[in-house]
Amino acid sequence: QVQLVESGGGVVQPGRSLRLSCAASGFTFSNYAMHWVRQAPGKGLEWVAVISFDGSNRYYTDSVKGRFTISRDNSNSMLYLEMNSLRGEDTAVYYCARVGTDGYNYFHYWGQGTLVTVSS
Amino acid sequence: DIQMIQSPSSLSASVGDRVTITCRASQSITTYLSWYQQKPGEAPKVLIYAASSLQSGVPSKFSGSGSGTDFTLTISSLQPEDFATYYCQQSSRTPYTFGQGTKLEIK
Repeated sequence: QVQLVESGGGVVQPGRSLRLSCAASGFTFSNYAMHWVRQAPGKGLEWVAVISFDGSNRYYTDSVKGRFTISRDNSNSMLYLEMNSLRGEDTAVYYCARVGTDGYNYFHYWGQGTLVTVSS
Repeated sequence: DIQMIQSPSSLSASVGDRVTITCRASQSITTYLSWYQQKPGEAPKVLIYAASSLQSGVPSKFSGSGSGTDFTLTISSLQPEDFATYYCQQSSRTPYTFGQGTKLEIK
């Protein structure tokens, strides 16, 4: 069965960096685009970034452009989110998500999320 | 960016009721629209994709319709487990924006 397991969250000071990881299993990782979606405490869902199946294309929401980098390691079925220059507004649960197979880019599978708290 | 406006933001209903949530896109997204259910402390779960396709394993009490800019999610015969927050999301173009959510509460 498809499984996505995020890790790497924690408490970090403003301006510092953090790297999130997402371990994928149960499917051929290299066949799928992967996304990061976040949710601030008590707030709605916000799409963060996407990386194509082969890593050749990456897109970001405006608020993280230039600070966050999405990457992947297809040989180890791992997805990453490198977060630099963190701000208080980056505090959120971060989910990795895999798209469905029907070409509509919806988020079929989600991890359990990892909490990032940016605070001094 | 494509804005997704959901209404209502909150909804109070009784067990057995039928409810409808609407989502409007700021420009045409054809049928690149999905609906998610989220319960406290859990990851979202996809209910509907491609505007009207029911995700495998999701009860048929959930249905979606619409195309272009206007979409609806209908839930029939509400049960206690259906009280949650619902989000629409467009995947026509990046950034893949979500609606602000509709919190469905028990009356």
